Amino acid sequence: AQSVTQLDSQVPVFEEAPVELRCNYSSSVSVYLFWYVQYPNQGLQLLLKYLSGSTLVKGINGFEAEFNKSQTSFHLRKPSVHISDTAEYFCAVPLRQAGTALIFGKGTTLSVSS
Amino acid sequence: NAGVTQTPKFRILKIGQSMTLQCTQDMNHNYMYWYRQDPGMGLKLIYYSVGAGITDKGEVPNGYNVSRSTTEDFPLRLELAAPSQTSVYFCASSYTLYTGTPADTIYFGEGSWLTVV
Repeated sequence: AQSVTQLDSQVPVFEEAPVELRCNYSSSVSVYLFWYVQYPNQGLQLLLKYLSGSTLVKGINGFEAEFNKSQTSFHLRKPSVHISDTAEYFCAVPLRQAGTALIFGKGTTLSVSS
Repeated sequence: NAGVTQTPKFRILKIGQSMTLQCTQDMNHNYMYWYRQDPGMGLKLIYYSVGAGITDKGEVPNGYNVSRSTTEDFPLRLELAAPSQTSVYFCASSYTLYTGTPADTIYFGEGSWLTVV
């Protein structure tokens, strides 16, 4: 079965500092990886995804993630965060090989302060 | 463009009552999903559907039922509500051209807050 682990439940950072949110996955089949973001009192929206090709994936709002097959990781990074990046971030993988339903990690709350 | 619409947004249920969370999408998506979100637990997949008339269990299906009679609608039924079903419920949808490949993007509704007392 597929699974995803987000290693940090909360990440506090100061504005303009770099940030990395960690995600590790378990998969014995084709790897598809996603990051979603949830702003307060809203649904989730796609930040970026890895389906194939280049291991460095760029997403919206200046975020990027790198797929590392040997370490089974898909960490999310941003070189300089803004107050508006304060949100909860979820890493996700497909439920099973044949389906497109996603299962999500427990989430990482990114808190950006000035 | 409405996207994914869920109703009601807030509801308080008594233990043992039943209710249906409604979900409709206007994007002609073939896949639809129901998730629940609990603090510190992320989102858990309850049920999903790959098209009208086809549904499948997710990670936490017990205590819930779904049906998919049309492409647009995917209601979630709670039978005999229990306090453990207090949660925020999200409906979502996506389009997949080929079965077995991930959807391009999953679109989420704004959530339904349910409290069982």
